[in-house]
Amino acid sequence: QLQLQESGSGLVKPSETLSLTCDVSGGSIIRGGYSWSWIRQPPGKGLEWIGYIYHNGITHYNASLKSRVTISLDRSKNQFSLKLGSVTAADTALYFCASSPRYFQGMDVWGQGTTVIVSS
Amino acid sequence: DIQMTQSPSSLSASVGDRVTITCRASQDISIYLAWYQQKPGKVPKLLMYAASTLQPGVPSRFSGSGSGTDFTLTISSLQPEDVGTYYCQKCDSAPWAFGRGTKVEIK
Repeated sequence: QLQLQESGSGLVKPSETLSLTCDVSGGSIIRGGYSWSWIRQPPGKGLEWIGYIYHNGITHYNASLKSRVTISLDRSKNQFSLKLGSVTAADTALYFCASSPRYFQGMDVWGQGTTVIVSS
Repeated sequence: DIQMTQSPSSLSASVGDRVTITCRASQDISIYLAWYQQKPGKVPKLLMYAASTLQPGVPSRFSGSGSGTDFTLTISSLQPEDVGTYYCQKCDSAPWAFGRGTKVEIK
């Protein structure tokens, strides 16, 4: 059974870079067909898809965040990561990682989420 | 990019009522739509994908329909445990996107 767990910096200063990692257990991060996503949810608001990386390393990002986002895979650690640069208070949110076995099947496994606050 | 519009933004219904939530895509997405349920303080849960395919374990009172640009999520008999916010998500080619959510409450 696949399990995901987010970790990373919970407090980030404005203009700095937010860095989060999602540890994957119960399966390989390079299993064929899988995509690995980051989603965020500002306090009291809805879900925003940030981007995903395929098992083969190909990435796709939300256009509104594309200039600031990098998602990468670490095959040796079976994890994937999110970096979001030049953060502002608007980036304060609960950040989730999630997986999808095939692009059309939705995201069926989610991490518990990690809160990131942008503040000086 | 394709935008996803959900309606209503919130609803209040009685236990046993039939509830319908609508999701509209700004362009044709075929059947590549997923629905999620997020209970208060919890992680989103995938209810169904490909517009109408239920995830294992999801109660049969949930159903989905639609294709192209117009989709619906129906709860045939609302239960107290169905309280939460429901999101649609386009899951065809990237970029993906969520609707803004529909908050379901018990009257």
